[in-house]
Amino acid sequence: GAGVSQSPSNKVTEKGKDVELRCDPISGHTALYWYRQSLGQGLEFLIYFQGNSAPDKSGLPSDRFSAERTGGSVSTLTIQRTQQEDSAVYLCASSLGPGQLYEQYFGPGTRLTVT
Amino acid sequence: GESVGLHLPTLSVQEGDNSIINCAYSNSASDYFIWYKQESGKGPQFIIDIRSNMDKRQGQRVTVLLNKTVKHLSLQIAATQPGDSAVYFCAEIEAGNMLTFGGGTRLMVKP
Repeated sequence: GAGVSQSPSNKVTEKGKDVELRCDPISGHTALYWYRQSLGQGLEFLIYFQGNSAPDKSGLPSDRFSAERTGGSVSTLTIQRTQQEDSAVYLCASSLGPGQLYEQYFGPGTRLTVT
Repeated sequence: GESVGLHLPTLSVQEGDNSIINCAYSNSASDYFIWYKQESGKGPQFIIDIRSNMDKRQGQRVTVLLNKTVKHLSLQIAATQPGDSAVYFCAEIEAGNMLTFGGGTRLMVKP
């Protein structure tokens, strides 16, 4: 079946430009997560959406980062005025519901390079 | 804040041997742990999980051991195969839903 998909797979942008990264979760999954993975590092939590609840934005590193989830499905992560330190792989995951009982399924990620 | 980390950044094993990947965690309140496998160019893939009320859990060729006394988690892979070559992350659940990941261990399987 279809898994989590992300687009684009690769994005190269100039410093100072805005970028949008898209995530299509698995159909029926109410929870959606964004993570960032820097080269050779573990995954850093960014933001979490659960149903119609207000998102948990506690992991966003600065106010240049924002995300929305329309209709409880597709999500877009926006990075404004990109900096070189924003270069990383951005991973999206979805799960059937909140809490520990639900396995998170990851997408392939978007590799962002800021030049 | 508290964190999850790994002892060995790179592990090289011979095909057919058993592999053991270790992870130390510091948050004694965490009660759920997961091992993920990440192949090059792909997102992490769930391998096996364990709750804090268990010491051991077995899957297909994989076993996770949890030692709460010393806050140590390990992943054992039996009869390691070339397809097992990947980066392995341990993760803990804290604050309800937020996974905290360690830095990863790269497993290299030599033919």
